[in-house]
Amino acid sequence: DVKVTQSSRYLVKRTGEKVFLECVQDMDHENMFWYRQDPGLGLRLIYFSYDVKMKEKGDIPEGYSVSREKKERFSLILESASTNQTSMYLCASRRATNEKLFFGSGTQLSVL
Amino acid sequence: SQQGEEDPQALSIQEGENATMNCSYKTSINNLQWYRQNSGRGLVHLILIRSNEREKHSGRLRVTLDTSKKSSSLLITASRAADTASYFCATASSSGNTPLVFGKGTRLSVIA
Repeated sequence: DVKVTQSSRYLVKRTGEKVFLECVQDMDHENMFWYRQDPGLGLRLIYFSYDVKMKEKGDIPEGYSVSREKKERFSLILESASTNQTSMYLCASRRATNEKLFFGSGTQLSVL
Repeated sequence: SQQGEEDPQALSIQEGENATMNCSYKTSINNLQWYRQNSGRGLVHLILIRSNEREKHSGRLRVTLDTSKKSSSLLITASRAADTASYFCATASSSGNTPLVFGKGTRLSVIA
């Protein structure tokens, strides 16, 4: 089975800190995604990548950046964390277009 | 951009009863997918139904798709307490390589 691993389940950071959320998948998937999930708002797409060194903005990219230097790893970066970035962050991958997504367990980030 | 809209937002039933959740969407799709999320965890793929399919079964799950009405339903038969979770529909657009778009989910509670 595909495994998508997110580096931390829970993370507490201070306002203004630079935060790295790491995601690794082990099945050679082309596509990788970062979502955030907030109560009542569902999943919202932050950034995605269809290939190494390629990235595309999702619906809410402001305040975030991403890096995909290797196919298996997709990192989400909060350049200067703010309290409104407190959320559950979900990484996902898929083999190709129109196929199902495999999700990591999520990172609950609290910014104080 | 939220495409799928689940209905109801929350559903509470007794163990053994059937649970039906509905999803409506707005644009043409290649396929529609249903996912499940246990509290505080990542999403797990349940079933994918293509635009040329009308019904699909997987164990106690039955999914229907009506592309003329742009709607889908997920039926869970003989529900169990372990089915308690949030259920999300997600649509894959028919126009090219685009990310899945998720609805806000239905929160299902199955009472033993």
